[in-house]
Amino acid sequence: DVKVTQSSRYLVKRTGEKVFLECVQDMDHENMFWYRQDPGLGLRLIYFSYDVKMKEKGDIPEGYSVSREKKERFSLILESASTNQTSMYLCASSSHTASSYNSPLHFGNGTRLTVT
Amino acid sequence: GENVEQHPSTLSVQEGDSAVIKCTYSDSASNYFPWYKQELGKRPQLIIDIRSNVGEKKDQRIAVTLNKTAKHFSLHITETQPEDSAVYFCAASETNYGKLTFGQGTILTVHP
Repeated sequence: DVKVTQSSRYLVKRTGEKVFLECVQDMDHENMFWYRQDPGLGLRLIYFSYDVKMKEKGDIPEGYSVSREKKERFSLILESASTNQTSMYLCASSSHTASSYNSPLHFGNGTRLTVT
Repeated sequence: GENVEQHPSTLSVQEGDSAVIKCTYSDSASNYFPWYKQELGKRPQLIIDIRSNVGEKKDQRIAVTLNKTAKHFSLHITETQPEDSAVYFCAASETNYGKLTFGQGTILTVHP
């Protein structure tokens, strides 16, 4: 069974702090993703990566950056946390397919970040 | 980019009734349409998906239909049970890198 592990379940940070959210997957998946989940807005893609050291902006990348130095680990960085970044952050992974169709996303349990 | 609209935002049914959730998408190149269920406090989990070369897919009490011409797809749950209560998300993708665009979510409540 695929396991996607996020390092923290709950996190409280102060405005202006640099915040690191860590995600590790154990299935040798090529693709990894960071989404944020807000009520009424669904899941919105922040960044994704389809290979080591590769990254692509999603729909809402402003205020975030990412790092993928190893295949199994994908980090989300909030350079200077702000109150509007208070949210649930979900990491996910999937395998890359040779066909034009996708393989399913496997999600972590999420990190609920509060910025005060 | 892709835009996915999902309706209704909340749905309340009696146990045993059917529930239908509808989604529309904007990018005609999208070819993969999964549905995720998220129970309270848990991670989203895939419950069913459909690819663009198929019009309908069924798995026990759940089914998904796809109309590519109209660019909409729907989730149907029959004989609902209280354990079906959750948030349901539709999504669409046009690439093979797994990048999904999600709808806003539907809170389904099944009353015993």
